[in-house]
Amino acid sequence: AQRVTQPEKLLSVFKGAPVELKCNYSYSGSPELFWYVQYSRQRLQLLLRHISRESIKGFTADLNKGETSFHLKKPFAQEEDSAMYYCALSTGGGNKLTFGTGTQLKVEL
Amino acid sequence: GAVVSQHPSRVICKSGTSVKIECRSLDFQATTMFWYRQFPKQSLMLMATSNEGSKATYEQGVEKDKFLINHASLTLSTLTVTSAHPEDSSFYICSARGGPLTSGGAYNEQFFGPGTRLTVL
Repeated sequence: AQRVTQPEKLLSVFKGAPVELKCNYSYSGSPELFWYVQYSRQRLQLLLRHISRESIKGFTADLNKGETSFHLKKPFAQEEDSAMYYCALSTGGGNKLTFGTGTQLKVEL
Repeated sequence: GAVVSQHPSRVICKSGTSVKIECRSLDFQATTMFWYRQFPKQSLMLMATSNEGSKATYEQGVEKDKFLINHASLTLSTLTVTSAHPEDSSFYICSARGGPLTSGGAYNEQFFGPGTRLTVL
């Protein structure tokens, strides 16, 4: 069975500092990985997916199949980045998502 | 575009009663809808997947007679928690996947509703 692990429940950084939110997965096949974000009092929304290989709001994530990781990175944190971030895995075939437990990012001034 | 609504946003009910939660795609047709459950400070757990006009597919450990899912139209799915008990208290979130109302094609992502807070006394 697939599994997504986010080891940090809370990550606190200063504004302008680099950010790395860790995500590891376990799945025997070829997964599709996503990062979702939930800002305060808002619904969950897609931030980025590995197949797009794009940067959204300054965030990037690279799928490392050797390390089974999909860490989310941003070189300079902004206050508006404070939110809950969920890593998720899809095994295709209907696009069912398996979520990690989430990391609360707090960007301090 | 691609907005999903849920109603009600929160509901409190007595133990033993049934509660219905609606999930609507407001501006697109949702061929597939997903129902998740989230406990405090925990992750979203997929409960079931429903395709319009078909029976829902439940995840292992989810009682289909307890959590009745209906997806009778391309814009509406309902989750009914039958004979609710305090342990059913949770945050229920739906998501939808589909395509534009008036043309072909498909959106390649799930769009999430705002969630429904269920409290069973």
